Amino acid sequence: GENVEQHPSTLSVQEGDSAVIKCTYSDSASNYFPWYKQELGKRPQLIIDIRSNVGEKKDQRIAVTLNKTAKHFSLHITETQPEDSAVYFCAAQNTGGFKTIFGAGTRLFVKA
Amino acid sequence: GAGVSQSPSNKVTEKGKDVELRCDPISGHTALYWYRQRLGQGLEFLIYFQGNSAPDKSGLPSDRFSAERTGESVSTLTIQRTQQEDSAVYLCASSTLPGDPYEQYFGPGTRLTVT
Repeated sequence: GENVEQHPSTLSVQEGDSAVIKCTYSDSASNYFPWYKQELGKRPQLIIDIRSNVGEKKDQRIAVTLNKTAKHFSLHITETQPEDSAVYFCAAQNTGGFKTIFGAGTRLFVKA
Repeated sequence: GAGVSQSPSNKVTEKGKDVELRCDPISGHTALYWYRQRLGQGLEFLIYFQGNSAPDKSGLPSDRFSAERTGESVSTLTIQRTQQEDSAVYLCASSTLPGDPYEQYFGPGTRLTVT
């Protein structure tokens, strides 16, 4: 069945450093790749997304890259701040439908 | 405007009892999703609705789980004969436009504890 693998499961960085989270997906029909941030005890919220016809997308300190051939996509956070500390989930959504498969999540700690 | 709401926010039930969880999506959102999130885990896809139809029920863990949606609005997730492994936060999300993937707006979740 469809699967999304996410690494690392935990990431600790110093404030100001960059953080990179990587995901791979199995369903070649996937064409939409969102990233969600979930703070402790709160609901997931979309922070950035990318569609299959684009290789890279950037929004201020956050960027996402997509390699459809390799079925890889990554989240890059630059100049990390303590408020970036949260669990980040990648996801893949298949063409023509709404089934969304999430990765297991990455717990990011940004140390001040 | 109003976001996705879910009720109850917390539910404690005894093993073997049935529970019903409710989701009110954002008005006008045609797609509605249910996920399960066990403590410290990721989001496990359960089912989605396009309008009132559920084209893909393959994510439901067992035949004890069922879901329905009426009026392209409220949805209920029913778990029969609850087991301790059903304990989790059940999240609902909704999104716009059929036939086009789009941002999912999540509700606050229902924390289910089966004793």
